[in-house]
Amino acid sequence: DGGITQSPKYLFRKEGQNVTLSCEQNLNHDAMYWYRQDPGQGLRLIYYSQIVNDFQKGDIAEGYSVSREKKESFPLTVTSAQKNPTAFYLCASSIGRDSLSEQFFGPGTRLTVL
Amino acid sequence: QKEVEQDPGPLSVPEGAIVSLNCTYSNSAFQYFMWYRQYSRKGPELLMYTYSSGNKEDGRFTAQVDKSSKYISLFIRDSQPSDSATYLCAMSAAGGYSTLTFGKGTMLLVSP
Repeated sequence: DGGITQSPKYLFRKEGQNVTLSCEQNLNHDAMYWYRQDPGQGLRLIYYSQIVNDFQKGDIAEGYSVSREKKESFPLTVTSAQKNPTAFYLCASSIGRDSLSEQFFGPGTRLTVL
Repeated sequence: QKEVEQDPGPLSVPEGAIVSLNCTYSNSAFQYFMWYRQYSRKGPELLMYTYSSGNKEDGRFTAQVDKSSKYISLFIRDSQPSDSATYLCAMSAAGGYSTLTFGKGTMLLVSP
């Protein structure tokens, strides 16, 4: 089955630790995205990548980092510099790099800082 | 003023009702309009995708765009309990690559 997988589903982190969220897609999509969703806030774009080895900051990139070494994979690292990391993180991908392309979402990772 | 405004609800309706969900926006460059459905603790899934103004129908769902008023709507006919979810509007500008701007989502509850 084609789709987007995110792991883990739930993640707990102590303050001061970096954690990495996994996102893999087998849809052969060029573009991938990371969003953060807080209660009552909708989705806010953290980072996106239109092609391998290239990525751009979204609206709330501070305290996050990404890499895009393979077309299928776009991991997100939540660093200790992120002041309020507890949230629901969603990864998405789209076939092309333009606004015509539908974005498909993964099931999400819920991160809780203890 | 936020770029996209959406009433968070919750909107509670009985089964079989016609539901109207709405978003307003301020950026006149937006040309592509989408509605996503998100069940609790799941990723959003695309319901409807429209370009510029007009109507688009798909089964029980109708998406409407009025660019002159900067207003988009999603209508759900014969609503079912399985329609209970959060509905997110999203939009983007035309001309090359443009990211999506999402509304905050409206929670819909359809009671049997």
